[in-house]
Amino acid sequence: GQQVQQSPASLVLQEGENAELQCNFSSTATRLQWFYQHPGGRLVSLFYNPSGTKHTGRLTSTTVTNERRGSLHISSSQTTDSGTYFCAINMGYKLTFGTGTSLLVDP
Amino acid sequence: DTTVKQNPRYKLARVGKPVNLICSQTMNHDTMYWYQKKPNQAPKLLLFYYDKILNREADTFEKFQSSRPNNSFCSLYIGSAGLEYSAMYLCASSRDRDISSYEQYFGPGTRLTVL
Repeated sequence: GQQVQQSPASLVLQEGENAELQCNFSSTATRLQWFYQHPGGRLVSLFYNPSGTKHTGRLTSTTVTNERRGSLHISSSQTTDSGTYFCAINMGYKLTFGTGTSLLVDP
Repeated sequence: DTTVKQNPRYKLARVGKPVNLICSQTMNHDTMYWYQKKPNQAPKLLLFYYDKILNREADTFEKFQSSRPNNSFCSLYIGSAGLEYSAMYLCASSRDRDISSYEQYFGPGTRLTVL
């Protein structure tokens, strides 16, 4: 079965609304990383968050490792937030990615 | 500088022809990775170098080769491109192969189109 599951698969927001992206994983990972993929394809790391809560600007990452879940909260969304968000967990020597959440923020 | 660079950014190849993609980093990272990313799919690890040791994933073992002439550079080589190789290829590096301790940094990707 899929080892990293993300929800929702896609999301449409009006500018200014908040979003909560979920990541659940099936193994005991020790690190969770959130990535943003630009529409052009570049993958940018947003958070490297093994546990607890981290903030950067309008983004908040929360990881609860012993419950095998993480979340990414986007507050006051902007059109420039549109793109695909991936979570990834370490499994041994490699990162295993979820299939992503596609976010579209309408003006 | 946490930049990982990739060349070229876009590559057009003919079916049956070889393809060579280049990645570089100046962070003195021990480990360099190559991922394949297709639309609506998760990035998939193809192989990685830990120092001079190449590790290839079992399901893509015969499809991709790689070389690492020095710590800074790593290439991805496709001997005979097929249509199924069309994808974004992402290079990443980390300080160590123990990714439970160290973050991976990604390059901008090379978009390969095979015709």
